[in-house]
Amino acid sequence: DIVMTQSPDSLAVSLGERATINCKSSQSLLYNSNNKNYLNWYQQKPGQPPKLLISWASSRESGVPERFSGSGSGTDFSLTISRLQAEDVAVYYCQQCYSTPLTFGGGTKVEI
Amino acid sequence: EVQLLESGGGLVQPGGSLGLSCAASRFSFINYAMTWVRQAPGKGLEWVSSIGAGDGSTTFYADFVKGRFTISRDNSKNTLYLQMNSLRAEDTAVYYCAKHIAGWLTGIHYWGQGALVTVSS
Repeated sequence: DIVMTQSPDSLAVSLGERATINCKSSQSLLYNSNNKNYLNWYQQKPGQPPKLLISWASSRESGVPERFSGSGSGTDFSLTISRLQAEDVAVYYCQQCYSTPLTFGGGTKVEI
Repeated sequence: EVQLLESGGGLVQPGGSLGLSCAASRFSFINYAMTWVRQAPGKGLEWVSSIGAGDGSTTFYADFVKGRFTISRDNSKNTLYLQMNSLRAEDTAVYYCAKHIAGWLTGIHYWGQGALVTVSS
């Protein structure tokens, strides 16, 4: 099974400042035949289901603000919120879809 | 907008059974892989099971539910199911029905609001 390790567990950032969440996989998520990284990022606010923010490591979903960006390749990935807004307070999860069992990171709680 | 509406959650005794349903609408259900993800109270997300598009002949399960849970789909009813048997206290969680971007090895694009399953005597 591919183990996803997120860091930090929690993060306090001032409004307007940058937040960076890291995610490391136990094996490469890069599929050589199509050069895609099978890595997704989700945002979950209290009492709500998760929301897909980023797919293929860096492809922002429709409607997701530009301040959210994903980067990385292979085994090391990051989600960056360039200028934190109050509505970005949430738990963020990375998830690999390279192989089953699909696995999630433990989550990173972002607070103001 | 895609809609996924779970039903069937509730309280069940250890060793008991429960079936969840997920009514899907506003997309071509037959063409997408579907998944169940659970979240224990105060914990993170945990993948449970996935089923491929089409006739649903391709299924995958997390080791901790293998042999106890069964995922299925009825494309004529646009409904996803999860039959849960031999339930344990550690199966207590909110169970989310979710739609993939395409196949099961793609992002999970839409999520239902979740169904709470509580396993307790």
